[in-house]
Amino acid sequence: EIVMTQSPASLSVSPGEGATLSCRASQTVSNNLAWYQQKSGQAPRLLIYDASLRATGIPARFSGSGSGTEFTLTISSLQSEDFAIYYCQHYNQWPLTFGQGTRLEIK
Amino acid sequence: EVQLVESGGGLIQPGGSLRLSCAASGFSVSANYMNWVRQAPGKGLEWVSVIHSGGTSHYADSVQGRFTISRDTSTNTLYLQMNSLRADDTAVYYCARDLGTAVRGFDLWGQGTLVTVSS
Repeated sequence: EIVMTQSPASLSVSPGEGATLSCRASQTVSNNLAWYQQKSGQAPRLLIYDASLRATGIPARFSGSGSGTEFTLTISSLQSEDFAIYYCQHYNQWPLTFGQGTRLEIK
Repeated sequence: EVQLVESGGGLIQPGGSLRLSCAASGFSVSANYMNWVRQAPGKGLEWVSVIHSGGTSHYADSVQGRFTISRDTSTNTLYLQMNSLRADDTAVYYCARDLGTAVRGFDLWGQGTLVTVSS
């Protein structure tokens, strides 16, 4: 099983600033990686797939990069609605696994 | 409207069985890879199972041999049969559609159904 490790566990950022979230895979997953956003009491929402492609309706301030074992989700100019928990997920092989999440909080 | 609606959750005793349903509308459950993902209270996301458009299925090690995923194309419904339930199966269970005909990310999720395993 591939272990996905996200860092930091939590991040405090002021609205209008940018944020960089990291995800590391225990072995290569090529570019088979997705990022999700989850707000309290809601289902997750797909933000990024194939490591860098934005899902339908996702604002351009969300961007993904990386391949192999190191990945980054960058959110430029944070809006109030962006404060949530973010998860990475690989889909390179079975079983699929998620990272433990990064909580993005308002500073 | 394209949506997924789960049902079937509830309180069940350890060792018991439960079947979750996920009714799809606006697309065919047999056209996409369909998944179950769970989230224990206050915890992160855990992928549980997938059924391919061709019918092949895969499971997380934690549920292998106890859970079975299936679908009914006549009612356009995804199912998760859960047997030998344990306390650590307590979670909100989401069904989720894959973006395409192969795994590329889950672009449509249901609202979730809570399963509580407790005596």
